[in-house]
Amino acid sequence: GAVVSQHPSRVICKSGTSVKIECRSLDFQATTMFWYRQFPKQSLMLMATSNEGSKATYEQGVEKDKFLINHASLTLSTLTVTSAHPEDSSFYICSAKTGGEETQYFGPGTRLLVL
Amino acid sequence: QKEVEQNSGPLSVPEGAIASLNCTYSDRGSQSFFWYRQYSGKSPELIMSIYSNGDKEDGRFTAQLNKASQYVSLLIRDSQPSDSATYLCAVNPGDSSYKLIFGSGTRLLVRP
Repeated sequence: GAVVSQHPSRVICKSGTSVKIECRSLDFQATTMFWYRQFPKQSLMLMATSNEGSKATYEQGVEKDKFLINHASLTLSTLTVTSAHPEDSSFYICSAKTGGEETQYFGPGTRLLVL
Repeated sequence: QKEVEQNSGPLSVPEGAIASLNCTYSDRGSQSFFWYRQYSGKSPELIMSIYSNGDKEDGRFTAQLNKASQYVSLLIRDSQPSDSATYLCAVNPGDSSYKLIFGSGTRLLVRP
């Protein structure tokens, strides 16, 4: 149980384009999903918290107009990196939790390379 | 600023030994603590959670929590080469947001 998927697993795009990453909870209803970014040899940095049906809460320093998050259902959240630039190249990981638990279950991650 | 500190390592132990991983946190109000394992190029996977002072055992893993000292540790008994990974300590600061603050991780290397 508690399986989270992400799609795509890897994406390469040109600078200036937008990229959408999907995060799905496969066997549970995720009331809250989290989006993290991890640069090489660094720890996970929380970007934003999204609750189903409401606006995402962004961490300090994260541009909400650049990283659009939508949590339209209890099993799906999307992160759109708008006008991506090479410095946005990173490993993007989502996690999900149910309403009754504190444990976060992580998706496999999406590796983004912006050329 | 709420912080979670870990020694980056690498911590090198021989196969079969006990590996001891440590973590300190700054927010005294923190309530929930988690250990995740992350293999290179992969996302974190949950090993254990601990909420109360004392020890919690799960197979070869034992988590230890001391809230007075703001310290949480993970012991891995009978370490195997497959345990070689980065171990991330994560803390829920207890502010009802459910978000986790991660340490930078300790890299463990188990030598055959």
